Amino acid sequence: GAVVSQHPSRVICKSGTSVKIECRSLDFQATTMFWYRQFPKKSLMLMATSNEGSKATYEQGVEKDKFLINHASLTLSTLTVTSAHPEDSSFYICVPQSREGYNEQFFGPGTRLTVL
Amino acid sequence: GQNIDQPTEMTATEGAIVQINCTYQTSGFNGLFWYQQHAGEAPTFLSYNVLDGLEEKGRFSSFLSRSKGYSYLLLKELQMKDSASYLCAVGPGNTGKLIFGQGTTLQVKP
Repeated sequence: GAVVSQHPSRVICKSGTSVKIECRSLDFQATTMFWYRQFPKKSLMLMATSNEGSKATYEQGVEKDKFLINHASLTLSTLTVTSAHPEDSSFYICVPQSREGYNEQFFGPGTRLTVL
Repeated sequence: GQNIDQPTEMTATEGAIVQINCTYQTSGFNGLFWYQQHAGEAPTFLSYNVLDGLEEKGRFSSFLSRSKGYSYLLLKELQMKDSASYLCAVGPGNTGKLIFGQGTTLQVKP
């Protein structure tokens, strides 16, 4: 399967700070990046979709000014949680996709964010 | 609307066979995925069905009936390490985004 990395794997921050999460596809070009989040004991919910070089499309209920997504290259996308609050504590997972790879959805290892 | 249903919890015995069902109602359909997720980890890809029928991959098999909006994941020769959450997900279109069910937590007992 595809090699996907996320950094950091785990982060604890104070309320009001911003946190940047990086997602890298190490062995293929990700023309599209999906960002999901998963609250404890809940399923995954799609937050946004980004295509390389263009603005992200956010799902209903997801604040675009709070969750900043940058997809500047085919191997790197970042999600920045701005002014984080305890309710933003969640497991954030990226899913890079190449043009050819719709039927192969390989998840990043995830980033566990805890906001105190 | 979009709706994917699967049982919340299941229990099975080591060495046995278990079937996890998933029903879906989505505005479009471009494939159904099954993922395994261990506690604290990201999901890992198990299978993808886009045509009706059974796909077998080792101890795991996945079945799809598009007319019934139904899929199942079959796990044979259960091992303790199969204790995990199993997620059913549907791609409603050709964008690649997925809609997930709530997940089925499977506990394998000795």
